[in-house]
Amino acid sequence: GESVGLHLPTLSVQEGDNSIINCAYSNSASDYFIWYKQESGKGPQFIIDIRSNMDKRQGQRVTVLLNKTVKHLSLQIAATQPGDSAVYFCAENENSGNTPLVFGKGTRLSVIA
Amino acid sequence: NAGVTQTPKFQVLKTGQSMTLQCAQDMNHEYMSWYRQDPGMGLRLIHYSVGAGITDQGEVPNGYNVSRSTTEDFPLRLLSAAPSQTSVYFCASSSQGSNEQYFGPGTRLTVT
Repeated sequence: GESVGLHLPTLSVQEGDNSIINCAYSNSASDYFIWYKQESGKGPQFIIDIRSNMDKRQGQRVTVLLNKTVKHLSLQIAATQPGDSAVYFCAENENSGNTPLVFGKGTRLSVIA
Repeated sequence: NAGVTQTPKFQVLKTGQSMTLQCAQDMNHEYMSWYRQDPGMGLRLIHYSVGAGITDQGEVPNGYNVSRSTTEDFPLRLLSAAPSQTSVYFCASSSQGSNEQYFGPGTRLTVT
């Protein structure tokens, strides 16, 4: 069936380096994508989103890239900090607003000080 | 605003017991949903609601019931707990037309 998944289940990055977390999706009808960060013992927290009519969106230290041709999504974190250590999830859905999000399995980012 | 609140934080049940996980939000969000999170499985949708009086099934609804009598509350009921329902449960809400879901802190449930 349609699914959202991740290439790398774990990622270790040196503090100060850039991190890239990848996500593949299979539903060609998806038009909205979102990244969440989940710290240990907490609920997921919104990071950044992007609609299918865009291929790049930047936030504070984070950039999301969308390649609809190969159904690939990535989250780039600049100058990774210890506080960035968490599990990162991508999610997608077909319509804007109030339809269920489909979540990927998550990637654990570990920042090495 | 308190955001999305969930109670209890932890719960241990015996097989066959029933219980209700509470979820409330004070943001006047129309959309609410329940997920379970298991190791290596990510978040899986159990039930969701697009407004008071309206509920629908998600990916893994079996063994769970929900109701939405008010905008603020969206309780999740386990009718007869099973060990397979041991998990961390998250409630989330979002406003009409928005995909940005706000998550509660979660309830860790163990069924023995």
